[in-house]
Amino acid sequence: QVQLKESGPGLVQPSQTLSLTCTVSGLSLTSNSVSWIRQPPGKGLEWMGVIWSNGGTDYNSAIKSRLSISRDTSKSQVFLKMNSLQTEDTAMYFCARSRLQYFDYWGQGVMVTVSS
Amino acid sequence: EIVLTQSPTTMAASPGEKVTITCRASSSVSYMHWYQQKPGASPKPWIYDTSKLASGVPNRFSGSGSGTSYSLTISSMETEDTATYYCQQWSSNWTFGGGTKLELK
Repeated sequence: QVQLKESGPGLVQPSQTLSLTCTVSGLSLTSNSVSWIRQPPGKGLEWMGVIWSNGGTDYNSAIKSRLSISRDTSKSQVFLKMNSLQTEDTAMYFCARSRLQYFDYWGQGVMVTVSS
Repeated sequence: EIVLTQSPTTMAASPGEKVTITCRASSSVSYMHWYQQKPGASPKPWIYDTSKLASGVPNRFSGSGSGTSYSLTISSMETEDTATYYCQQWSSNWTFGGGTKLELK
């Protein structure tokens, strides 16, 4: 049974760095790709970036300069780090297994609020 | 980056009514995928590869389209279909439509 679960701080101060973890079970990160996707309150979905099964990464050009995705295959964990957070980064953050074309397994999401 | 525009943004349908949601791409895409999201929940894959129903999706749902124009259709609206539906494409990277909120009339 494939499961993904996001974890991280619920509150981050403006200008600080966000660190999130996606812990996966039921699949191997060396043969599966995982994306991060976010959704501001009451708004739509935004793909942020992906870590491919080979460890390579791709990022949304709009946030590429602030974003880093990495993984620890031994712990089945994928990490997101995004710096220089602003209030507009307040959102629910999801990780999802990325089939090449679409996302077939999603985590429950973690809500992140950027506020002082 | 390919931009996806969904219409309508919001709509209401009566039980038994036929519903069609459209998704237009700024450039031609090979496939379109759809997700259903209910309040407080993560999106669920609903239709993939334009017309294939994800596991557990009722067969009153269907998907069609090609090139820059795609649609999701419900043949007969049911109460449980109230949700927001998002289209999504992949062409070098992933983008989503803005969503269509479907309510019960």
